[in-house]
Amino acid sequence: AQTVTQSQPEMSVQEAETVTLSCTYDTSESDYYLFWYKQPPSRQMILVIRQEAYKQQNATENRFSVNFQKAAKSFSLKISDSQLGDAAMYFCAMGLIQGAQKLVFGQGTRLTINP
Amino acid sequence: NAGVMQNPRHLVRRRGQEARLRCSPMKGHSHVYWYRQLPEEGLKFMVYLQKENIIDESGMPKERFSAEFPKEGPSILRIQQVVRGDSAAYFCASSRSREDEQYFGPGTRLTVT
Repeated sequence: AQTVTQSQPEMSVQEAETVTLSCTYDTSESDYYLFWYKQPPSRQMILVIRQEAYKQQNATENRFSVNFQKAAKSFSLKISDSQLGDAAMYFCAMGLIQGAQKLVFGQGTRLTINP
Repeated sequence: NAGVMQNPRHLVRRRGQEARLRCSPMKGHSHVYWYRQLPEEGLKFMVYLQKENIIDESGMPKERFSAEFPKEGPSILRIQQVVRGDSAAYFCASSRSREDEQYFGPGTRLTVT
């Protein structure tokens, strides 16, 4: 079975600063995807970034980047130049490449941006 | 290209009534996933369907819950004899194939009174 753990229930950062959200996971599989989703107050789930486990290069998407440490089973999200619109719940998730690809989510981290 | 559609967005049911939640996947997507989000928690997988087939229902409660994805029309998540503990946000996601990215709908918030 797969598990995803986010140990930071809440984080805050000053506008324009950088913040890192932590995520660890556990699986016995070698092929999987990792995701970060953003859930603003509208509750819409928005994909922020995706990483394939077989790729060593860390994924980046504009101001968002990840630090993927496969051996440590760690997948942190770095948000640079934080903006007020980044305020949301952030969920880390994983899905197996083989099988149903059902996603397993962490408990979430609530990110607050201070102006 | 319209995204994943879910309706209703909000649904209020009294204990013992039935709730029907609908999900229309994105155009060209034949894979549908249902997730449930309890307050202050992450999403939990419920069921994965392809057209006319249930592929994985390992996250579905054994009683009162059922799902279908007919050849024509939306996917339906049905909850019979709802109880207060069923109050949650129910999200549907769709993908073009099993390996492709899942796109989420806006969710249906079910409140059981």
